[in-house]
Amino acid sequence: GQNIDQPTEMTATEGAIVQINCTYQTSGFNGLFWYQQHAGEAPTFLSYNVLDGLEEKGRFSSFLSRSKGYSYLLLKELQMKDSASYLCAALDSNYQLIWGAGTKLIIKP
Amino acid sequence: DADVTQTPRNRITKTGKRIMLECSQTKGHDRMYWYRQDPGLGLRLIYYSFDVKDINKGEISDGYSVSRQAQAKFSLSLESAIPNQTALYFCATSPPGQDTGELFFGEGSRLTVL
Repeated sequence: GQNIDQPTEMTATEGAIVQINCTYQTSGFNGLFWYQQHAGEAPTFLSYNVLDGLEEKGRFSSFLSRSKGYSYLLLKELQMKDSASYLCAALDSNYQLIWGAGTKLIIKP
Repeated sequence: DADVTQTPRNRITKTGKRIMLECSQTKGHDRMYWYRQDPGLGLRLIYYSFDVKDINKGEISDGYSVSRQAQAKFSLSLESAIPNQTALYFCATSPPGQDTGELFFGEGSRLTVL
């Protein structure tokens, strides 16, 4: 079956760095997506990786290893507004998104 | 104004009632989707449509139906609501292209079935 695994909850300190991991098992693979979802709001797109390596976008970076079925989202210089859930999703061979349950990130002052 | 608008935003109903959730978008995207989100679970696809004449079942279509009235409108119906359909429902759109998983979500419709 198809599966996305990510930690349920993480806690980090304002100003620090946090890495949110995601492992995936899908029927075929056409890319890995990260979304941010603040409580009570809609998910919003953060990043897309289809090739191995690191993609950097400001304070956020996303890494992909296709051979390991692994990705991570790296958040630097954490701000209180980064408190949110982070959703990992993989695009399978039918170009359907398979979603993880999300990682709730709690930022403490 | 939001590019993807859902109505109603909140609805409480009783078992057996018919419910319609509506979605309209101004992004000009052909592709539209309905998802439900439950605590502890990932987003699950209910139905999707790649254009007005194209409707496809998703992972969990049983108990739901959809209508694509126009490029900009995609509605989800629960013909006879049951309590386990209590969830947060999201409509989403995406631009054309097979490799795009970049979705644009509406603000969500919270449905409670008593």
